[in-house]
Amino acid sequence: NAGVTQTPKFRVLKTGQSMTLLCAQDMNHEYMYWYRQDPGMGLRLIHYSVGEGTTAKGEVPDGYNVSRLKKQNFLLGLESAAPSQTSVYFCASSYPPGRQANTDTQYFGPGTRLTVL
Amino acid sequence: SQELEQSPQSLIVQEGKNLTINCTSSKTLYGLYWYKQKYGEGLIFLMMLQKGGEEKSHEKITAKLDEKKQQSSLHITASQPSHAGIYLCGAPAGGTYKYIFGTGTRLKVLA
Repeated sequence: NAGVTQTPKFRVLKTGQSMTLLCAQDMNHEYMYWYRQDPGMGLRLIHYSVGEGTTAKGEVPDGYNVSRLKKQNFLLGLESAAPSQTSVYFCASSYPPGRQANTDTQYFGPGTRLTVL
Repeated sequence: SQELEQSPQSLIVQEGKNLTINCTSSKTLYGLYWYKQKYGEGLIFLMMLQKGGEEKSHEKITAKLDEKKQQSSLHITASQPSHAGIYLCGAPAGGTYKYIFGTGTRLKVLA
């Protein structure tokens, strides 16, 4: 049981390049999330998904796209990277809130550190 | 929109000392989660609080949620270097499945 895994762990891009971050979870969670973490700003939700084939915008969705073709995978794409997208990206997954009252939580991946030059 | 404010932003304590981190919400909390993050790693779930006045402990860490469900505190007793890291509080925003997080408290424990 690997939990939540993210690929890659590190990446350096030039402005204008594109890339896809992969998140995979083996806990059969319905909900998956992408966050970015920046100094002094905490975690901010980029996009999320409540089930296979569905995605929705979070707090800071501009410049990112996502896809959830399979329940266990959630992809985050940057079509044209900008220096403002330099950040650490975290993926998380969870059951729908309320299903497991005492252990409701999100499970996080180890993060992807992205630098855009 | 609901916001979580943590204090202090950073904390340096001598090993063996007690410390407290606070998390204040701008609206009533439907649940409050505490996480720990080590540099370069993801967030590790510590505890979840749901009921007003609830208190939970795990090893030397105790978390409380106030009766009004708008403030939580995380208390570490007899701190150790292994407690060092970033502590974040998180909550479902407005009872939804969209989670919000505090900006984190960076803890350093001096041996």
